[in-house]
Order: sequence, then C-alpha cells, then structure tokens
Amino acid sequence: DIQLTQSPSFLSASVGDRVTITCRASQGISSYLAWYQQKPGKAPKFLIYTASTLQSGVPSRFSGSGSGTEFTLTISSLQPEDFATYYCQQLDSYPLVFGQGTRLEIK
Amino acid sequence: QVQLVQSGAEVKKPGASVKVSCKASGYTFTSYYMHWVRQAPGQGLEWMGVINPSDGGTNYAQNLQGRFTMTRDTSTSTVYMELSSLRSEDTAMYYCARDLTSGAAAGTADWGQGTLVIVSS
Repeated sequence: DIQLTQSPSFLSASVGDRVTITCRASQGISSYLAWYQQKPGKAPKFLIYTASTLQSGVPSRFSGSGSGTEFTLTISSLQPEDFATYYCQQLDSYPLVFGQGTRLEIK
Repeated sequence: QVQLVQSGAEVKKPGASVKVSCKASGYTFTSYYMHWVRQAPGQGLEWMGVINPSDGGTNYAQNLQGRFTMTRDTSTSTVYMELSSLRSEDTAMYYCARDLTSGAAAGTADWGQGTLVIVSS
C-alpha cells in the first residue's frame, strides 16, 4: 500500500503569512493527489485535485504543486478562516489513503 | 445541488453490528462512485472503501476486510455501510463522500453530514 507522510504535523502562523505543507508518497503517484481542509466538528472540504487544480469556489490564495512523490499545498496569505487541519489523499491506487494531517494554528 | 444525507447517530455494544445509510440526491446516482471515510475522536481521516453504484462493485481497506460491507439500493439512491463485530476502536464519525468525477478518481467533493457511531458496553 502507498503511504503518505505530511510535514509538518503542526504549524503555527500569523494572519498574512505564506505557509507551505508538504505531502510525500512512499511511491510515485503521478499527479493523483487531492487536498482537503477540515475544521472542528465539520466534514472535510475539498480544495485541490490532480495535485494542482483548484476546486470551484476555493480562494485563489490556495495552490498545489508537485508530482511523483512530493507535493505541496501553499496558502499565499493566511486568512483567519484558514486555520484548520489539512489532509492530502492519494488517488493512484486502492486503498486511497490520507496523510496524517497538518494542524494549522494561529500564532 | 448534490446532497448526501446520512442516518442518525448510533450507540452499539461491543460485538454488535451497525448499518449506516447515505441517501443521495441532485445527480445521477449510478454515475459517481461513493466512498466511506471515518474519523475517530481527535484522529485523522481513514478511508474505508468505495462502491460503484452502477454495478455494486466494491473495494475495501484491508484492515476492515471481513467486517465491512458496502451496498447500494438504486431504487432509492441510497448507499449503505455495515460494520460488524464492533469494538471500542470503531467509535468514530462516519462519512459518505461522492467522487468529484464520473471517470477516474480525483477526490471527493461532496460529503454527508457524518454519522457518529459509539461502541460502548
């Protein structure tokens, strides 16, 4: 099975900061990667698919990049509503595992 | 618009089974795969499995094989998940989630509201 490792697991940042979260796959997955945002008590929200395609309605400050085994999610200028937990998920082969999550908190 | 409405919370004893439903509307039910994802309290997301509503074909996470079953009823546009031999570690929020596209998997853009399953003696 493919494993995904996110780093960091915890990130403290301020409004206006640029932040980057990394997701590494244990083997190549081409561009079959998605990113989600989850706030406490809510279902995950779909942000990005095929590594870099922004889902409709997602603010342009979010961007994704990468292919193969290394991927990044970047938020160009953090807004108060962006403080949440972020997960990557590989869609290359079953099981469609998630990364362990990155918790983004306000500094 | 796409809506996924799940059944209500459940409290079960260890060893029992639970069946959770997810009723879909707002799109052609048989055209999009449906997934189940769970999240234990304070933990991350765990992909459980997927069903093709068109032909009922499934793929499950290895650690759930033998205890987990996904089915669908095309007449009511409903997907079900059943988990048997429940243990305390199965206490979690369970979500159904629909594929973004009707072709290759790209992620799940639409999610149900979640169903809390508590396993306790």
